[in-house]
Amino acid sequence: DVKVTQSSRYLVKRTGEKVFLECVQDMDHENMFWYRQDPGLGLRLIYFSYDVKMKEKGDIPEGYSVSREKKERFSLILESASTNQTSMYLCASSPVAAETDEQYFGPGTRLTVT
Amino acid sequence: AQKVTQAQTEISVVEKEDVTLDCVYETRDTTYYLFWYKQPPSGELVFLIRRNSFDEQNEISGRYSWNFQKSTSSFNFTITASQVVDSAVYFCALSETVNRDDKIIFGKGTRLHILP
Repeated sequence: DVKVTQSSRYLVKRTGEKVFLECVQDMDHENMFWYRQDPGLGLRLIYFSYDVKMKEKGDIPEGYSVSREKKERFSLILESASTNQTSMYLCASSPVAAETDEQYFGPGTRLTVT
Repeated sequence: AQKVTQAQTEISVVEKEDVTLDCVYETRDTTYYLFWYKQPPSGELVFLIRRNSFDEQNEISGRYSWNFQKSTSSFNFTITASQVVDSAVYFCALSETVNRDDKIIFGKGTRLHILP
């Protein structure tokens, strides 16, 4: 079974803090993704990576950065957390295939910025 | 530009009733993939089905069935004889094959309540 794990289920941080959200997958997938989920807005893509040290901006990258030093790990970084970054953050991974393959999701991290 | 619309924000039905979740998509690509995901209260999205644009055959899996109609750009999901465990948020999603990155565009989701 594919397993995607995220470092925390719940996180509370103060405004201005640097925040690291970690995601690890154990199926040797090339692609990894970070989304945020907000009520009424669905899932919005923040960043994705299709290889080690590669990253691409998604639809809402502002205020975020990412790091992918190893294939299995994809980190989302909030350089200076703000209250509007309070959200549910979901990590996903997928293999590169001849056709588009489904994404496998982690359990999510609910981040509250106070 | 690709877009996925789930017009139903929230639906409530009584257990054992059938319920259909609507999904309408927009894409300029001729080859694309459609997905449905379920997000139970635990939070983790669970993959349900993938359909490619060349396969319009309807699919049935137990109490779940999917109706794909290219003519109306719809990919609707029906749960027959609903159960309380079906309560979740359901997302329809679309992926085009033009780019290598396999990005998926999600709809805003439909929250389904199955009442005992």
